[in-house]
Amino acid sequence: GIQVEQSPPDLILQEGANSTLRCNFSDSVNNLQWFHQNPWGQLINLFYIPSGTKQNGRLSATTVATERYSLLYISSSQTTDSGVYFCAVRAGGATNKLIFGTGTLLAVQP
Amino acid sequence: DTAVSQTPKYLVTQMGNDKSIKCEQNLGHDTMYWYKQDSKKFLKIMFSYNNKELIINETVPNRFSPKSPDKAHLNLHINSLELGDSAVYFCASSQNDRDTQYFGPGTRLTVL
Repeated sequence: GIQVEQSPPDLILQEGANSTLRCNFSDSVNNLQWFHQNPWGQLINLFYIPSGTKQNGRLSATTVATERYSLLYISSSQTTDSGVYFCAVRAGGATNKLIFGTGTLLAVQP
Repeated sequence: DTAVSQTPKYLVTQMGNDKSIKCEQNLGHDTMYWYKQDSKKFLKIMFSYNNKELIINETVPNRFSPKSPDKAHLNLHINSLELGDSAVYFCASSQNDRDTQYFGPGTRLTVL
């Protein structure tokens, strides 16, 4: 089955710093989503981005489907950005089964 | 307004018991899912229903039985609970079986 790898596994930032999180996948995908799991465990949709670039405030994401990777950019990080960031992909086929990556644990320090 | 809700939020029970987790979505979506997040934060799909019909059934012990009484509800019943069932269980929904998935707040199950 499709493999989804995220890097780095852990990241510590000072408030105000910028960061880039990466998601590599081993096969072509029809769907890619980025999620933020906050310290309370809630999974929050960030982007639905099977290809191209999207921006939402301080966050933006780019997926290059032909090269099988996606990037999540966080600018001017805040302590509320702390948590685990997951990318999840859906491979081709008839069913919408999301395969999750291993996550990046982000800690933003004041 | 809560889009995808789950009850209970926390569930602590003894080994061997039977328990249920309920999920409801008010988004008018056709497809609903159950995912399991283990202690290492790894998330994996368990089941998916589209218009009350089972479309995904991963390799899950048959002690786990999903039930969808209507499009807005997908419940998860677990028989003979084991220690290894301790995890956070997330319900999700999407407009159809190809669209963006939205997740509920999760149910933390602890089996003692």
